[in-house]
Amino acid sequence: EAGVTQSPTHLIKTRGQQVTLRCSPISGHTSVYWYQQALGLGLQFLLWYDEGEERNRGNFPPRFSGRQFPNYSSELNVNALELEDSALYLCASSPRGLRNLGELFFGEGSRLTVL
Amino acid sequence: GEDVEQSLFLSVREGDSSVINCTYTDSSSTYLYWYKQEPGAGLQLLTYIFSNMDMKQDQRLTVLLNKKDKHLSLRIADTQTGDSAIYFCAESGTGGFKTIFGAGTRLFVKA
Repeated sequence: EAGVTQSPTHLIKTRGQQVTLRCSPISGHTSVYWYQQALGLGLQFLLWYDEGEERNRGNFPPRFSGRQFPNYSSELNVNALELEDSALYLCASSPRGLRNLGELFFGEGSRLTVL
Repeated sequence: GEDVEQSLFLSVREGDSSVINCTYTDSSSTYLYWYKQEPGAGLQLLTYIFSNMDMKQDQRLTVLLNKKDKHLSLRIADTQTGDSAIYFCAESGTGGFKTIFGAGTRLFVKA
């Protein structure tokens, strides 16, 4: 069974540009989570989508946004990139949250470098 | 708000025990987790403990939970070089389904 897949794996952008990151969850998982892993800061919760709806949002500015499609895949969009947006962006999926112990299944991440 | 804290580095010799500590602030946490991240890979769930448990043992892994002090620890017995990785403590509160992670502890195992 395929795991969580993310694309692209690496990308370089310049300040002010926009980026879209993509995530395909494990088949049968309806929840998708996005985390930012910046150097030395651990994982910061960005967004949680379930059944196509945004369910929760972390403490990030509105230029971080996303959506979940009917097939449960998800996109994370970051507008007006800043240098401090350089990080590894991790996507995770889980079965519908109410019925599992909360285990998250992670992809390998998209490493974004902003110059 | 919720917060999870853990030390950033730990170095042990091969064959010794490793103990990684974590503190959290959310008293309504239902599940507490330890995830492992190997170089170039995403995180994988290593083990978890329900908040109504004090201890959980799984082969070389022992998880201890002190709910009063909001302290979680992971003990790895007979640490091997293959255990070198970043270990993340995480908690998930009741009804929130939002998992909060610590900054991760980088474990170095010296041969």
